[in-house]
Formats: sequence, C-alpha cells, structure tokens
Amino acid sequence: EDKVVQSPLSLVVHEGDTVTLNCSYEVTNFRSLLWYKQEKKAPTFLFMLTSSGIEKKSGRLSSILDKKELFSILNITATQTGDSAVYLCAVGQPNTGNQFYFGTGTSLTVIP
Amino acid sequence: DAGVTQSPTHLIKTRGQHVTLRCSPISGHKSVSWYQQVLGQGPQFIFQYYEKEERGRGNFPDRFSARQFPNYSSELNVNALLLGDSALYLCASRSFTTGELFFGEGSRLTVL
Repeated sequence: EDKVVQSPLSLVVHEGDTVTLNCSYEVTNFRSLLWYKQEKKAPTFLFMLTSSGIEKKSGRLSSILDKKELFSILNITATQTGDSAVYLCAVGQPNTGNQFYFGTGTSLTVIP
Repeated sequence: DAGVTQSPTHLIKTRGQHVTLRCSPISGHKSVSWYQQVLGQGPQFIFQYYEKEERGRGNFPDRFSARQFPNYSSELNVNALLLGDSALYLCASRSFTTGELFFGEGSRLTVL
C-alpha cells in the first residue's frame, strides 16, 4: 500500500533555531513530491521536487529529494514564530488520476 | 489573479442530509481535485477532474460524487451524511505546465 510518513510528528523550537523535517515515501510510479505549510485552513504550496539532489530554496526554506532512498527533507533556518504551522508532504503519481498521497504532517511550534 | 475559491466556508448539517460544495480553480487551470482532511490527518484524495471528465477516484463510498462544468469549476456532493463526514473539504487546482497543486481555503463541514 502506498504511503507517506513524516517525522517528527511534532517539534518545539526557539526562535533562531534550524529545523529539519523528514518525509519518506513508498509510492509506486513516483512522479513528484510537494511540500506545504498549513496554518489554519488551506495548505500553502512551498516546493515541488521531481529530481534527486537538486535543492529548491526560498528564503530561509530549502528542500531536497533523494529518489534512491525515497525521502525528502525540508529545512528551515533562523526560525521565526510565523513559521509555526503544520508542514505537509505529498507524493504524486501519474496513475489513478494524479492522486497525491499526503503524510499526517509535522507540527512545528516556534517559541520566542 | 484570484486563487482557488471555495464556498461555503462553513456549514452545519444533520445526519442523513446532503451537501453541495463548490470550487473555482485558478484561471487557466483545467484540473480540479477534491480532498477530505479530518482533524489531525493529512488530506485524503476523493476525486480528480480534468476537462470535465473524472480522471481519478479515491477510496470513498458512492455517497460522494462530483462534477466539473465547462468553465472548469466543480461541485462535490455528499449524500446521506454521516457523523464521520465531518471534515475540512479542500479543492485544489493544478497547473498543467508545472504540475504544482494549489489549494483553496476549504469548506468546513460539521455533521450533527
């Protein structure tokens, strides 16, 4: 059965810390991996990764994919209280209607 | 440009009733997907439509149905509501060129 596992489930850090969130997957016919930030309602798109070893970066956030070991990491440097959210990882496949499988998310809390 | 828009934002129904949720994708996007997110879980795939045709269906009962209109907006219908249908229903539209998936704010359904 296809699945996506995120770790840790939750994390509490102080402002300024660096965090690494993990996403491992077992999805047949992998096509792409997406990261989202969810604060209250809509997941906000962060990154889409399709190729191994190529880092995507946006400000203090960066992400990389390892298609051989079937995982991705999301790094956040110099964390701020506004980074507090649930971070979701999703893996897509071209079959079954381009379905994306989501992990349960990592809840990040950044305290001042 | 407007993002993915959904309506209504909140609604309360009783068991046995039916509900219709609506979604307008990002302008230019022809693919719409529906996801159910139960509290504490990642979104779970319900349907995907592309060019007004169903292209994928998740593991949901036949009480769930959807359609896409010529203007690419979409409706999700749920009949014979159960308490377990209480969730955040998310609509997502997907860029054909980049494959990125963008979510609306969601419709929070409470079944009493």
